[in-house]
Amino acid sequence: GAGVSQTPSNKVTEKGKYVELRCDPISGHTALYWYRQSLGQGPEFLIYFQGTGAADDSGLPNDRFFAVRPEGSVSTLKIQRTERGDSAVYLCASSPSYNTDTQYFGPGTRLTVL
Amino acid sequence: AQSVSQHNHHVILSEAASLELGCNYSYGGTVNLFWYVQYPGQHLQLLLKYFSGDPLVKGIKGFEAEFIKSKFSFNLRKPSVQWSDTAEYFCAVNPQTGANNLFFGTGTRLTVIP
Repeated sequence: GAGVSQTPSNKVTEKGKYVELRCDPISGHTALYWYRQSLGQGPEFLIYFQGTGAADDSGLPNDRFFAVRPEGSVSTLKIQRTERGDSAVYLCASSPSYNTDTQYFGPGTRLTVL
Repeated sequence: AQSVSQHNHHVILSEAASLELGCNYSYGGTVNLFWYVQYPGQHLQLLLKYFSGDPLVKGIKGFEAEFIKSKFSFNLRKPSVQWSDTAEYFCAVNPQTGANNLFFGTGTRLTVIP
């Protein structure tokens, strides 16, 4: 595609529910990143993939958060037992490779946990 | 703790005024530096980047930034702002530790008054 796409654009859920957020990177980009942006803050790194494997998941806040990229393209960020503090914009970015390339960001998914 | 600081949270300028937005980081090693911009209702876009070489880098739309290693700074400048520059500006750092995740500042909101 022309750019990184993310679905849904908005997600409202109730505390304790499970949610999945999808990211479709730019075609051919091998590296994919997830960030979280809370109100009034800059994006905060969560996890990045080189191909199918998670190369660095040090930013995931706890074990309720998990992400996969089974075929090296589309990625899904999964959040179990959502909490109100998980409310944020979840951003996905991709780059041609993992090594110092510019990251191209998607529009984000705004998650609201009631 | 390692961090990226943007000291100006909200800057208001009249059209044609000059702009300088500060960015300081605390990583001790070699870094790659970025400025991203987020226009209202749009996703993050790369404005400019510094990897190596000439510390004065030029980006899109007349923006430039200067890397001063001794000051751990990467300030963004534009000689004459336009109303269309109204946006949120984020400084980001990639410490060259092998991973390619970005660490962002909290952002500076720029409002340009016509």
